[in-house]
Amino acid sequence: RKEVEQDPGPFNVPEGATVAFNCTYSNSASQSFFWYRQDCRKEPKLLMSVYSSGNEDGRFTAQLNRASQYISLLIRDSKLSDSATYLCVVSSMNYGGSQGNLIFGKGTKLSVKP
Amino acid sequence: DGGITQSPKYLFRKEGQNVTLSCEQNLNHDAMYWYRQDPGQGLRLIYYSQIVNDFQKGDIAEGYSVSREKKESFPLTVTSAQKNPTAFYLCASSEPRGGSYEQYFGPGTRLTVT
Repeated sequence: RKEVEQDPGPFNVPEGATVAFNCTYSNSASQSFFWYRQDCRKEPKLLMSVYSSGNEDGRFTAQLNRASQYISLLIRDSKLSDSATYLCVVSSMNYGGSQGNLIFGKGTKLSVKP
Repeated sequence: DGGITQSPKYLFRKEGQNVTLSCEQNLNHDAMYWYRQDPGQGLRLIYYSQIVNDFQKGDIAEGYSVSREKKESFPLTVTSAQKNPTAFYLCASSEPRGGSYEQYFGPGTRLTVT
């Protein structure tokens, strides 16, 4: 099983649609979870952290299910500017027990059309 | 403005030459990281440093070297021993707060070796 697995997409949706991204991770000891956004040929940018209780930031909602080792991101009322690749990111325990290192999924590409 | 800078944005080198990529941060973060990203691939960790004068190999350290003589600087040297050096190189830094380990990225350097 890959450490962090995502549907590669692409997801092509019309403006205003609701789109869901899913991610699974293999290391049950992981403690930190994030969604990053990466625009074409740019650096990844932190979109939001994911907490056990779930969290929401405007049109974006993130959920974590530790039992299933599953993370999700929901975007409501999608905008043209949401077009990007969304990276699921999980903390790693591979390096001397350090939680500071992160494992990045390959990302799911989203294209929002007018 | 606090942030991470990488220079240059684009770099071209002939095969067999060593090249050093710059990464500077003024966020006062202790930890810094180097990743490479190939088309359609996730980020892969090359080296990381949790503190000044200390650094550790990541998943793909062969053919690379780093130094961490100052807190704000973490240069990466791509040596002639790296078999496939052409890639997008990303530097990041982090400072754990409340157990969270968000990493913040510089704009990246695109290295082309011919």
